[in-house]
Amino acid sequence: DIQMTQSPATLSASVGDRVTITCRASQTVSNWLAWYQQKPGKAPKLLIYKASTLESGVPSRFSGSGSGTEFTLTVSSLQPDDSATYYCQHYNSYKVTFGQGTRLEIK
Amino acid sequence: EVQLVESGGGLVQPGQSLRISCATSGFTFGDYGMTWVRQAPGKGLEWVSFIRSKVYSGKTEYAASVEGRFTISRDDSKSIAYLQMNSLKIEDTAVYYCARNPHLYCSSTNCFSDSWGQGTLVTVSS
Repeated sequence: DIQMTQSPATLSASVGDRVTITCRASQTVSNWLAWYQQKPGKAPKLLIYKASTLESGVPSRFSGSGSGTEFTLTVSSLQPDDSATYYCQHYNSYKVTFGQGTRLEIK
Repeated sequence: EVQLVESGGGLVQPGQSLRISCATSGFTFGDYGMTWVRQAPGKGLEWVSFIRSKVYSGKTEYAASVEGRFTISRDDSKSIAYLQMNSLKIEDTAVYYCARNPHLYCSSTNCFSDSWGQGTLVTVSS
């Protein structure tokens, strides 16, 4: 199975900061990668698919980039509502895997 | 409005079976794949199973941790997806989410999920 590794595990930043989360795949996943946001006690919410396509209704401060084995999720100007855990997920094989998650805290 | 509502979770003993359901509305169920993802208490997301729409073959995929014990199915006439879980283990304890997969934007093998239910808790304990 393809392994997905996210870094950092935890990130603390201030409102207005630009933050970046990295996701690395153990082998190429082309651009078949999605990003989700999950808040405590809630279901995950799709942010990005196909590495860089913004899901409808998601604020434009979120963006995704990368291909192959290295991907990034960037929040251009952090807002208080962005406090959550973020997961990457590849869908380039019959068995899907998620990254272990990055917890984003607002200072 | 797209809605997915899971039900059927509960407390079961190791070795027992349970079937959970995902009732949907607000979209043409038969046009979409459906996925189950679980989350153990305090842990990350784990993909469990995927069923394609009948238009895309209706084939199923399973995580290695549940293959041979869990069965995903769908009833397009009722717009419901199911997960039959047999030989349950303590490590199957988790919140189980169902999610919708838009085939149009998927890879040839699997997909991302664009809408999710609120989850149903399955607890396996003696």
